Amino acid sequence: NAGVTQTPKFRVLKTGQSMTLLCAQDMNHEYMYWYRQDPGMGLRLIHYSVGEGTTAKGEVPDGYNVSRLKKQNFLLGLESAAPSQTSVYFCASSYSERLPGLGYEQYFGPGTRLTVT
Amino acid sequence: GEDVEQSLFLSVREGDSSVINCTYTDSSSTYLYWYKQEPGAGLQLLTYIFSNMDMKQDQRLTVLLNKKDKHLSLRIADTQTGDSAIYFCAEIMNSGNTPLVFGKGTRLSVIA
Repeated sequence: NAGVTQTPKFRVLKTGQSMTLLCAQDMNHEYMYWYRQDPGMGLRLIHYSVGEGTTAKGEVPDGYNVSRLKKQNFLLGLESAAPSQTSVYFCASSYSERLPGLGYEQYFGPGTRLTVT
Repeated sequence: GEDVEQSLFLSVREGDSSVINCTYTDSSSTYLYWYKQEPGAGLQLLTYIFSNMDMKQDQRLTVLLNKKDKHLSLRIADTQTGDSAIYFCAEIMNSGNTPLVFGKGTRLSVIA
């Protein structure tokens, strides 16, 4: 199993450009999440999805859109990139139910480093 | 509201014990987690504790939970240079069908 994968790994955008970050998981998880990580700010939840076709806003959703057309994929879009969106973006996924002997572990991808100039 | 707080930095000598502390505000937290992030990588689950437990031990790791004070700690015995990383505390409430709430992370530096 590949776990959670993210593409691309790095990207540089100019202000106003758009792009889509792709997250894929092969663990049949119901829940998927997008976070951004900035120095001194920890992880902040952007959007999340509790199942195919559903999305919900997190702590910092402005300037981002998401889609979950397939259970295994969760896309994060930036329609008009701004320098404030320079960050490292992490995708994560988890089961919706607690498995025996386990908690609600979230599995993380390796991250996408985005720079907006 | 939900809030998880951690100190941002900790520095220890190799071979010493490290203790990373975390406080949380929501008394309905059911699970509390410690994640580790190595440089340039995503987060990996280190350990977790259920709210009806006081302590959990896993090899060099000891997690202590004080529900009364809403305080969680992670002790790493015999700290090694490979333990240098950012450690995140996180909580989840109620039934678990809600996103995790993360602290800002504690950067552990191990001095050889």
